[in-house]
Formats: sequence, C-alpha cells, structure tokens
Amino acid sequence: DAGVIQSPRHEVTEMGQEVTLRCKPISGHDYLFWYRQTMMRGLELLIYFNNNVPIDDSGMPEDRFSAKMPNASFSTLKIQPSEPRDSAVYFCASRGTSGPSRYNEQFFGPGTRLTVL
Amino acid sequence: EDKVVQSPLSLVVHEGDTVTLNCSYEVTNFRSLLWYKQEKKAPTFLFMLTSSGIEKKSGRLSSILDKKELFSILNITATQTGDSAIYLCAVEKNRDDKIIFGKGTRLHILP
Repeated sequence: DAGVIQSPRHEVTEMGQEVTLRCKPISGHDYLFWYRQTMMRGLELLIYFNNNVPIDDSGMPEDRFSAKMPNASFSTLKIQPSEPRDSAVYFCASRGTSGPSRYNEQFFGPGTRLTVL
Repeated sequence: EDKVVQSPLSLVVHEGDTVTLNCSYEVTNFRSLLWYKQEKKAPTFLFMLTSSGIEKKSGRLSSILDKKELFSILNITATQTGDSAIYLCAVEKNRDDKIIFGKGTRLHILP
C-alpha cells in the first residue's frame, strides 16, 4: 500500500486566493483526520470523518475553512479566502477499526506545506 | 479542557547522552497515551501505553506511564544523530475517536 497520499506537497499562494488540499486515505480505512501543525500551536485536529461523514469539525478555525469527503478514497480541505496566518503544514491521517481491544493506529500522510504571502 | 503538556520544548545534547522527555496530561475518560516521532515529514508511531508502571521498550527507546500522577516519560539511551526529531505525546480518550497532541519536544543530537 502506498500509504496516505497528499497533494500538493508544497503550496505558495497569495492572500485572498482559494487553496484546496487533497488527501487519499489508505484503502479500507474508515476514519480520516485533517490536522494543522505550526510551531506555536503544535499539531491541531481540524476535522475528522467516519465512513465519509464529518463527525467533529470543532477544530476548524473559521468559516473560511471547509472539508469534504465525497467518497471513501478522497477528501479535500479548502481555505477560501486564504490569509497569511493560515501558513502551516497540513496533515491528513487515516485509520481503520479493529475493535475496542486494539489500538487503531493513525497513519499520517507526508503533509502539505502551505505558505500564504 | 483536555490538555497534554510536554517538556522541555527543545533539547540539545551530544551523541551518546541519555535523554528523558516528559509528558503530563489532564483529560477526561483517559484510554491510552501515545508517543510519536516526527522527523522531516509525518509523525510515526512509537508506543502506546495503557497501564501504569509497565515499561514499553524498543531498542534504545523506552517509555512508562504513571496514571496516578498523570504523566509519562520517554527515555532514549546512547543517543545518535538519527534520533534528532520532534517527539510528540498524545492521549486517546474512551468513546472518542480523537487524539489530543502535545506541542512536542524538539530534540537535536550533536555529533
């Protein structure tokens, strides 16, 4: 398996532009998580899906952020309009479900480094 | 509010030294504590701890949990330059699919 795939790996854009980040989870995994990582705030959960349904979006910072998961193999995180303070590394992670007695490890993608000028 | 606090935030040591990284937590419905290593890219899983006092070990890395005092430590002995990374502590809760991460300890090993 190729693991979690994210694109693009790097994105540089100007303030006010729309940004779309993409994620392909590991096949068979039914959970997908979007995180943002900065030096100041560390790794923060933005939103997660279970079986393509958004379960908790309480970490989404503002209405400028939105996420979708149209099918089990694809998710997007969109920022519109983008601002310089959105500059961060955005990670996608996925995990399966093996029952309550086992730890279901989250596997992270390589991340998208976003710079908003 | 649930929180996970790691210390120190950064650490620089020489190759061969032993380091101890700390993680304290305050969460409701604790299930497990996790350690991750993050080099240049994505975090990778190291340990999961659920019971107090039982050491988990992998090579030169070891970790232990104290559920009474609500903390965990990660020890690395005979450090090597390849141990340079951010070490993340996280907590998993019962009846919740989320993981709560600390801000990490940035470890740099000098040759």
